[in-house]
Amino acid sequence: AQKVTQAQTEISVVEKEDVTLDCVYETRDTTYYLFWYKQPPSGELVFLIRRNSFDEQNEISGRYSWNFQKSTSSFNFTITASQVVDSAVYFCALNLILSSNTGKLIFGQGTTLQVKP
Amino acid sequence: DAGVTQSPTHLIKTRGQQVTLRCSPKSGHDTVSWYQQALGQGPQFIFQYYEEEERQRGNFPDRFSGHQFPNYSSELNVNALLLGDSALYLCASSTGQGRFNEKLFFGSGTQLSVL
Repeated sequence: AQKVTQAQTEISVVEKEDVTLDCVYETRDTTYYLFWYKQPPSGELVFLIRRNSFDEQNEISGRYSWNFQKSTSSFNFTITASQVVDSAVYFCALNLILSSNTGKLIFGQGTTLQVKP
Repeated sequence: DAGVTQSPTHLIKTRGQQVTLRCSPKSGHDTVSWYQQALGQGPQFIFQYYEEEERQRGNFPDRFSGHQFPNYSSELNVNALLLGDSALYLCASSTGQGRFNEKLFFGSGTQLSVL
């Protein structure tokens, strides 16, 4: 079965601290895509980063970086020098390529990040 | 360039009623997906529309139905509302049916409360 697990329900940090959000996924597929989305209080999910299953190169984009390890089925997300505006719920998601040639996102339960000034 | 717009933003209904939620995708997008997000949970896929047809469906009963119009906008209909249908309903648009790594653009959602 396909599943995404975010074990951290809530994280609280002080501004300028680095914070890592954990994500573990399960799938039998060899081709898939992983995403991180942010949901501020306004409700809309905002795309942050994506990674496909054939590329394990880890990257940094501004204050965001991610660590994709296929061997452990993990796709962790790090915010460097956190800011109050980073406070939101963060979702890890797995995009399955279905036999009907469509895709759908499987989301984790989300991690609520609170950044205190 | 307008993003994904959803209406209404809030809705209160009673059990047994029917509701229609609306979504206009981002300009240039042809695929609309609907998600249900219960309080404290991650979004759950309901179904996806492309070329005015339902292309894929999640684990939701037939009380949930939808439609896509020629201008790519979409409606989500829920019949015989149950208390458990209370949730934030999110619309997401994309291109290419989400087959690969297209990122989804989400609306702010419709908060449905069933009393």
